[in-house]
Amino acid sequence: DTAVSQTPKYLVTQMGNDKSIKCEQNLGHDTMYWYKQDSKKFLKIMFSYNNKELIINETVPNRFSPKSPDKAHLNLHINSLELGDSAVYFCASSRKPSGTKSTGELFFGEGSRLTVL
Amino acid sequence: GQQVMQIPQYQHVQEGEDFTTYCNSSTTLSNIQWYKQRPGGHPVFLIQLVKSGEVKKQKRLTFQFGEAKKNSSLHITATQTTDVGTYFCAGPGLSGGSNYKLTFGKGTLLTVNP
Repeated sequence: DTAVSQTPKYLVTQMGNDKSIKCEQNLGHDTMYWYKQDSKKFLKIMFSYNNKELIINETVPNRFSPKSPDKAHLNLHINSLELGDSAVYFCASSRKPSGTKSTGELFFGEGSRLTVL
Repeated sequence: GQQVMQIPQYQHVQEGEDFTTYCNSSTTLSNIQWYKQRPGGHPVFLIQLVKSGEVKKQKRLTFQFGEAKKNSSLHITATQTTDVGTYFCAGPGLSGGSNYKLTFGKGTLLTVNP
């Protein structure tokens, strides 16, 4: 059983197109994330959701629109794709932060490699 | 904003040599986490350190959290080819919604020559 699964694993598309990546977790976690990993392997948070509510939006262009239909799912839709959007997008989940503590470990999906031509 | 700096960016060692990567934060951290990402894989959680001065071991891996809770290190004794990958440290924010934001260092890519 895959804890955090995201689809598709690979996406190759033309500039200007719209695409979506889906993510599901079966760990019962309240919090889900999207991270972007560029060609230099830098992992940058994009969005954080807790129980379907947007918590963190890291100044991501509004071409990126996350959607959480329920706390087990967090999808990412990208409009008008640009060359610079090429990257690996990781979905992750964790427990909800408790007090001053952080979330505990993040469980990552296997990643979705997006290539924009 | 909070920054997490990690050095070195790359480290190439002969199998059997030791390896250390260092992580420094611009702000005091409530805790720090370490992750390993194998080539072509996804980040996998290794450990979380919470207490000032804490030291934890996992077989050949030793993790330390500084007394001021602003720096951390990961040391691997007698590296093996299975240790190849990128090691990331990550720290949370300290207040409000930023606890939901785990900031990752840029990672140290370890390669091991057999």
